[in-house]
Amino acid sequence: QSALTQPRSVSASPGQSVTISCTGTSSDVGGHNYVSWYQQHPGKAPKLIIYDVSNRPSGVPDRFFGSKSGNTASLTISGLQAEDEADYYCCSYVGDYTLVFGGGTKLTVL
Amino acid sequence: EVQLVESGGGLVQPGGSLRLSCAASGFTFRTYWMSWVRQAPGRGLEWLANVNQDGSEKRYVDSMKGRFSISRDNARNSLYLQINSLRAEDTAVYYCAREGGTYYVEYWGQGTLVTVSS
Repeated sequence: QSALTQPRSVSASPGQSVTISCTGTSSDVGGHNYVSWYQQHPGKAPKLIIYDVSNRPSGVPDRFFGSKSGNTASLTISGLQAEDEADYYCCSYVGDYTLVFGGGTKLTVL
Repeated sequence: EVQLVESGGGLVQPGGSLRLSCAASGFTFRTYWMSWVRQAPGRGLEWLANVNQDGSEKRYVDSMKGRFSISRDNARNSLYLQINSLRAEDTAVYYCAREGGTYYVEYWGQGTLVTVSS
């Protein structure tokens, strides 16, 4: 299971939108509609923000939007706020009940 | 409220073994798949293993097969991870996690730090 590929860092100003990509293969991202995204603030446990490509758990603002095209999944955050500054990880099902994470992306709100 | 509380971490010498525990509460433990995920200092998340509801199905990341063993005790609402032949690169925060309805991690514990050093 090879880690999914994410950009190391992205940045944007408050109020703007930013998109984080997550690239895999036809065996993981492209082969299943089971991509999830997690937000992690420094020193804290990760928090689920998107599951099954585009579903948001209760309590997650609709500023967070997940999508997928082919072997690449994306997380778009609109109306950026200071508290969105965090690390973001994608995760995909790879078959036989196993999962693989992306390398993580550090989001900086300028 | 779902709570996952890990314990058992600490300083271990290379070559040693460790058993991590996770106490679950706030949900019907026996009805969920459970996972372990780790994060080395300054690094990303790494899914390690999971186990099905009754403990009969276990899956591992390929690189850990043979050294790691996941198990659960539904009577005690507890999840375990046995790690053998510890190496410096096993130094990480180990998270206990509850899986969701399909294939994702829905809830996370706060993690327990394992440090492998002589």
